[in-house]
Amino acid sequence: DAGVTQSPTHLIKTRGQQVTLRCSPKSGHDTVSWYQQALGQGPQFIFQYYEEEERQRGNFPDRFSGHQFPNYSSELNVNALLLGDSALYLCASSLDGGSPLHFGNGTRLTVT
Amino acid sequence: AQTVTQSQPEMSVQEAETVTLSCTYDTSESDYYLFWYKQPPSRQMILVIRQEAYKQQNATENRFSVNFQKAAKSFSLKISDSQLGDAAMYFCAEISNFGNEKLTFGTGTRLTIIP
Repeated sequence: DAGVTQSPTHLIKTRGQQVTLRCSPKSGHDTVSWYQQALGQGPQFIFQYYEEEERQRGNFPDRFSGHQFPNYSSELNVNALLLGDSALYLCASSLDGGSPLHFGNGTRLTVT
Repeated sequence: AQTVTQSQPEMSVQEAETVTLSCTYDTSESDYYLFWYKQPPSRQMILVIRQEAYKQQNATENRFSVNFQKAAKSFSLKISDSQLGDAAMYFCAEISNFGNEKLTFGTGTRLTIIP
């Protein structure tokens, strides 16, 4: 039973560039959430996707956008990267309305 | 808005001893879940234990147990017989709004196990 998988593992980008992170949910899960974890902090909720639509959003600017595909996998896109976007980006999946969330190993994004 | 506070940035314990990690939270909801997650160097968030707010009985999972004080909005984690593999960051988290699973996390406690 495959868990949540994220790609890539590490990524280095330059300020102003755009980045796409990918997530495949745990088998049987239909909801994907994204979290940003800055160094030394707890994860912060970015948004959640269910049935290919953004269902809820945290306090993040429009530079952060996402998508969910019919197979429930998801992408997180960040435009016009800032140095402050450097963080670990965690994807979590669940079955609608249920808990707990299952997390992936994250993508470490470094913006230089 | 929900908030979760972990006041212990770092804790250490001798192997085989017991340690308690503290967490307080604030929510206006009457129904919610509380969680403790472990994040080892592999970075994956691993669920350690969860507590439903409507249950008075404290949750236990093998060597892990919680002390849930609803009136005080306190949710501490006790790890008994600490093992080297318990070394990690531990995050307390809360969900108040069911159906959309938005977790609110604390800032974490780094637990070191001393051999």
